[in-house]
Amino acid sequence: GAGVSQSPRYKVAKRGQDVALRCDPISGHVSLFWYQQALGQGPEFLTYFQNEAQLDKSGLPSDRFFAERPEGSVSTLKIQRTQQEDSAVYLCATVAGELFFGEGSRLTVL
Amino acid sequence: GIQVEQSPPDLILQEGANSTLRCNFSDSVNNLQWFHQNPWGQLINLFYIPSGTKQNGRLSATTVATERYSLLYISSSQTTDSGVYFCAGGRGSQGNLIFGKGTKLSVKP
Repeated sequence: GAGVSQSPRYKVAKRGQDVALRCDPISGHVSLFWYQQALGQGPEFLTYFQNEAQLDKSGLPSDRFFAERPEGSVSTLKIQRTQQEDSAVYLCATVAGELFFGEGSRLTVL
Repeated sequence: GIQVEQSPPDLILQEGANSTLRCNFSDSVNNLQWFHQNPWGQLINLFYIPSGTKQNGRLSATTVATERYSLLYISSSQTTDSGVYFCAGGRGSQGNLIFGKGTKLSVKP
């Protein structure tokens, strides 16, 4: 596609529910990144894929967070047993020298 | 880890004014980028500038890598320049960046 596409754009979950956020990267971009942006803060790195290999997951805040990219294209960020502190915008980005971000998925946990 | 400090945190300008935003790094980086986040949340890359000077229309950026800072210049500001400007840097993979807290710019007509 022409840009990085994320879905859903908005998600409201009750505490304890599982959520899945999808990222469709720019076609041909092998590197894919997930970031978390809390209100009023800059984005924070979560995890990084090169093709289907997850090379860095040092930013994932807990073992409730899981990301995958099984065919080296679409990626899914899954959050299990959501907590209120998980409320944030989740941004996906691909890189070709510079980072190209999607519009983000805004998660609100009630 | 690397700390990124941006100043000023907030800036209000009259349309047509010029401004300079600053970004300081606590340690050297080999990847430095500036972004604009519009009021709808979309992050747009402005510059990839680990060193030197670049210009794109009314925007320009300068990075002095040896002194660990970067500057973003906005000339003849327009209301559409409003939003949050982030700088981000890193030493690892190209997209693993540490972001500052941003400078929130409001341009008044």
